[in-house]
Amino acid sequence: DAGVTQSPTHLIKTRGQQVTLRCSPKSGHDTVSWYQQALGQGPQFIFQYYEEEERQRGNFPDRFSGHQFPNYSSELNVNALLLGDSALYLCASSFLTSGVLTTGELFFGEGSRLTVL
Amino acid sequence: GESVGLHLPTLSVQEGDNSIINCAYSNSASDYFIWYKQESGKGPQFIIDIRSNMDKRQGQRVTVLLNKTVKHLSLQIAATQPGDSAVYFCAEKGETSYDKVIFGPGTSLSVIP
Repeated sequence: DAGVTQSPTHLIKTRGQQVTLRCSPKSGHDTVSWYQQALGQGPQFIFQYYEEEERQRGNFPDRFSGHQFPNYSSELNVNALLLGDSALYLCASSFLTSGVLTTGELFFGEGSRLTVL
Repeated sequence: GESVGLHLPTLSVQEGDNSIINCAYSNSASDYFIWYKQESGKGPQFIIDIRSNMDKRQGQRVTVLLNKTVKHLSLQIAATQPGDSAVYFCAEKGETSYDKVIFGPGTSLSVIP
């Protein structure tokens, strides 16, 4: 049973460039959340996708956008990269059951380490 | 703004001792409180969670305590092992399915052999 997979694992970009990160959720999961984790800090919520729509969004500018595909995989796009975007980007998957309370159990990938020069 | 924070950024314990990691939260409306463990180079891993209508929950070698009066959450690890060395995050989540999980800044636990 494959867990959450992310690609690429590491990448280096320069200021102003654009980046796309990819995530495949754990088998059976239908929801993907993206987090940004700066060095020495906790993960910061970017957004959550369910049924190919953005359901929740954190305090991130419009330069951060995403997409979810019919097979539940997801992409995170960041435009006009800034030095401050350097971080570990984590994808987490879960299964949502509408109308039923869920716990906070998320399954994380190992992340994509983005360095902006 | 709403946030989940931690009292201590680092904690060192002797192997075999019990560890206690503390967390303060500010959002009284949160319904679930969760502990995650993150080892170096890996993504966070779910340890245990507790719902707001409970004050204690036990797992394998771990116990989570919730004190809603003072908005305090703690994780107790019994007989700490070297494999427990990691950064521990407390997190919170609202009641609905779509509520986001908000993480605190983390506590680094080092186990001394």
